[in-house]
Amino acid sequence: GAVVSQHPSWVICKSGTSVKIECRSLDFQATTMFWYRQFPKQSLMLMATSNEGSKATYEQGVEKDKFLINHASLTLSTLTVTSAHPEDSSFYICSARDIGTSGSGEQFFGPGTRLTVL
Amino acid sequence: DAKTTQPPSMDCAEGRAANLPCNHSTISGNEYVYWYRQIHSQGPQYIIHGLKNNETNEMASLIITEDRKSSTLILPHATLRDTAVYYCIVRVRQINTGNQFYFGTGTSLTVIP
Repeated sequence: GAVVSQHPSWVICKSGTSVKIECRSLDFQATTMFWYRQFPKQSLMLMATSNEGSKATYEQGVEKDKFLINHASLTLSTLTVTSAHPEDSSFYICSARDIGTSGSGEQFFGPGTRLTVL
Repeated sequence: DAKTTQPPSMDCAEGRAANLPCNHSTISGNEYVYWYRQIHSQGPQYIIHGLKNNETNEMASLIITEDRKSSTLILPHATLRDTAVYYCIVRVRQINTGNQFYFGTGTSLTVIP
C-alpha cells in the first residue's frame, strides 16, 4: 500500500527556534499534501493544503508566516514552525493523495511528528 | 468544520461485531463518506469509503442509508487490536484547493476481552 513517512518522529526544541518537519510519499506521487495538528485528547485539525509547485492554502486561524509550507516536489512537503513557543507543542501529521487515484480522494497519513517546545 | 457527528465512545466484546454509527445529515450529493481509525500516537489508518452503495473490504463493511444522512461502519469480528478512535469524515470538495478532510471528534472504541 501507499506509504507516507515523516521526519523526525519527535523533536524537542527551545522556545524561539525554528523546526522543520518533512513529509514524504515513498511509493507514489502526490500533487496534494495536507498538514494537520492534534493536541492531546483532541481530534485532528486541518492546518493547510499543500499543492506541488504553488503556495499552500491555509485554514482560517492558521498563521501562514508562522507555519511555512513548501511542496517542491511530487514526493516531498515540508512544514517549518518558525519561532516556536510552548503553545506550538503538538502532534503534527501529514497526509498525501496519490496522483494516480486522485478521483477517489483517499488520503494516506504519515506516522506523525511529536513536537515539544521547552 | 466537520460535517459528521459520532458517539464519543463505545465498547464491544472481542469476537463480536462492532457497529459504529455516524450522522452526516448535511452531506451533499457528490460528497463521499470516509472512515479512518487512529491508534494512540499514530497517524490515521484508512478503513473504507463510499458514496451511495454499501461497501465491503477485508477490514470492514460500510452501510450508507438510502437518504445518505447516516452510515454505519461494521467490524465483523472485533479483536483487541481494533481498539482505537474511529473517525467518520465527509470529504469536502473545494474548487480551488482540492478535497479536504475535516475530522470530527470520532468514536473511541474499546474492545473488551
